[in-house]
Amino acid sequence: DQQVKQNSPSLSVQEGRISILNCDYTNSMFDYFLWYKKYPAEGPTFLISISSIKDKNEDGRFTVFLNKSAKHLSLHIVPSQPGDSAVYFCAATGDNSNSGYALNFGKGTSLLVTP
Amino acid sequence: EAGVAQSPRYKIIEKRQSVAFWCNPISGHATLYWYQQILGQGPKLLIQFQNNGVVDDSQLPKDRFSAERLKGVDSTLKIQPAKLEDSAVYLCASSLGTGGPDTQYFGPGTRLTVL
Repeated sequence: DQQVKQNSPSLSVQEGRISILNCDYTNSMFDYFLWYKKYPAEGPTFLISISSIKDKNEDGRFTVFLNKSAKHLSLHIVPSQPGDSAVYFCAATGDNSNSGYALNFGKGTSLLVTP
Repeated sequence: EAGVAQSPRYKIIEKRQSVAFWCNPISGHATLYWYQQILGQGPKLLIQFQNNGVVDDSQLPKDRFSAERLKGVDSTLKIQPAKLEDSAVYLCASSLGTGGPDTQYFGPGTRLTVL
């Protein structure tokens, strides 16, 4: 069963505008969330993370918001740049004695930033 | 700092053949993960090591897949015999292994095609 869901397979945004990528999760044990960016033929690159004790984390142009009651998080990229065009994966993990904090990934959202 | 290294980058084999992948994690990282990413999906955990011990291999198809991490550093993942559905990118990741959730860093992956 898919415990992390990214319901938008793709998103197109104009350069300079805001990109908002969404992610929902079902497992209430998840308490640490990460976003990864992936270019073709490369491995996922860590972008930003957030712990469940926070509702917002910011790093330069990237901000992640967490709404625990809705089991929803979003990644905001402002302003979007053509180099941001990639597939973005949402991942979640939590204290699970069986899995040792392995990541559960969504299927990814392909972001295209057009000039 | 050197990242996670994987080899080979690409491999094409026929079904029922065997194949092995190699991973060298970031220096000092105690935890090592192998993920399988099928086209259009997010990465899925196969096995997790803490030093040279297995933490979680619940999703590893043990009738055909095996993995080891001798000396707690490098790791190899083997498939024998391969099936068509094993065609995927095999990603290795490592993390510090602090005992709680920490950031995983991924290698470039090995793309396996089974004909």
